[in-house]
Amino acid sequence: DADVTQTPRNRITKTGKRIMLECSQTKGHDRMYWYRQDPGLGLRLIYYSFDVKDINKGEISDGYSVSRQAQAKFSLSLESAIPNQTALYFCATSDSGLFYKETQYFGPGTRLLVL
Amino acid sequence: GENVEQHPSTLSVQEGDSAVIKCTYSDSASNYFPWYKQELGKRPQLIIDIRSNVGEKKDQRIAVTLNKTAKHFSLHITETQPEDSAVYFCAASRGWGKLQFGAGTQVVVTP
Repeated sequence: DADVTQTPRNRITKTGKRIMLECSQTKGHDRMYWYRQDPGLGLRLIYYSFDVKDINKGEISDGYSVSRQAQAKFSLSLESAIPNQTALYFCATSDSGLFYKETQYFGPGTRLLVL
Repeated sequence: GENVEQHPSTLSVQEGDSAVIKCTYSDSASNYFPWYKQELGKRPQLIIDIRSNVGEKKDQRIAVTLNKTAKHFSLHITETQPEDSAVYFCAASRGWGKLQFGAGTQVVVTP
């Protein structure tokens, strides 16, 4: 779905480095999410935001932080990357409007390798 | 919090046969159960969902059933085709946007 974009698509970094993954959406949705995907573990929620002033921890938020710069932008930061943060990261959005549907729309993912 | 278990982790089926994936959930307040399909190298996409006031829902070759008493729901794919090969994720929600996903099922359809 081209309406949800993530940058970068691939990133290699070293242990201890700070990195930021960015997500932008043109769907006009107010809800945004960050997940990580690891083989055999499914999609695990890191952080979610229901509007610009609302930030909530998910099930695996340790070692991560987020920033909701605008309704359309939601960034994920790894303050000091470690090898077990190597994973595929997905951003997702959903709507909460009048015709509320819970469907989440995912970005293309960012593949992160921490050496 | 909610816990969703999904089985099997891998499923190999012959083209034309049926495939069934089962999920159980722990939170009796969950009322929304979507299924997402992730093709190789692609993003997850919703394929079907069901709410707790419905016992079954169909969309062409796919169907989802829900047993609230037993707290489990299943995805059924009939007449499988090679393009059904993917990872399938079930999820559960209390209905306010936050989803708890299962670990996923790798489905391989062999011609």
